[in-house]
Amino acid sequence: DQQVKQNSPSLSVQEGRISILNCDYTNSMFDYFLWYKKYPAEGPTFLISISSIKDKNEDGRFTVFLNKSAKHLSLHIVPSQPGDSAVYFCAAGRLNAGNNRKLIWGLGTSLAVNP
Amino acid sequence: GAVVSQHPSWVICKSGTSVKIECRSLDFQATTMFWYRQFPKQSLMLMATSNEGSKATYEQGVEKDKFLINHASLTLSTLTVTSAHPEDSSFYICSAIQGADTEAFFGQGTRLTVV
Repeated sequence: DQQVKQNSPSLSVQEGRISILNCDYTNSMFDYFLWYKKYPAEGPTFLISISSIKDKNEDGRFTVFLNKSAKHLSLHIVPSQPGDSAVYFCAAGRLNAGNNRKLIWGLGTSLAVNP
Repeated sequence: GAVVSQHPSWVICKSGTSVKIECRSLDFQATTMFWYRQFPKQSLMLMATSNEGSKATYEQGVEKDKFLINHASLTLSTLTVTSAHPEDSSFYICSAIQGADTEAFFGQGTRLTVV
């Protein structure tokens, strides 16, 4: 049972355009969400997060939107750059899970930004 | 951001031997650490969650006698793969969080190859 779903395994975008990566979740208990970027043979790097009390969080070229009613979030990268090419993982968690605050991960979306 | 150092970054070992992987938080106290493994073209699979000073919580299907986790201090957790077999070959990644923080910071990962 995949609680966090990234239905697009890959995405290709032209440099300078917008990249939109989508993520859906099924567990309404999740109250915070994170996006990570990962290069091959490296650990993921944190990009941006959002808690369930917000519907938008922006950090430079990265914006995350959360639609709780639809259980959907998206990561927008504007403008996209070739260095953004990587695998992007969506993760969800529960703030009040005590000592079991684990993250549930999507399968990732491989983004290719073409010059 | 906070720094998590994982060592070694790659290791090759003979079948039947044990391998220890270290995960250190360099500039913060990691109250909770997570161990993941990732197979090629797949997502991060959580193996276990460890809280400093207590026994690790293993995910379903993960053998705790095979994957020994020790989190003896707030800056160090170790994963020991005992009696390694070729099917244990994978990319192992640790992450750490501090207190009630939502961001998890990842180590660089360890590529284990069992021959």
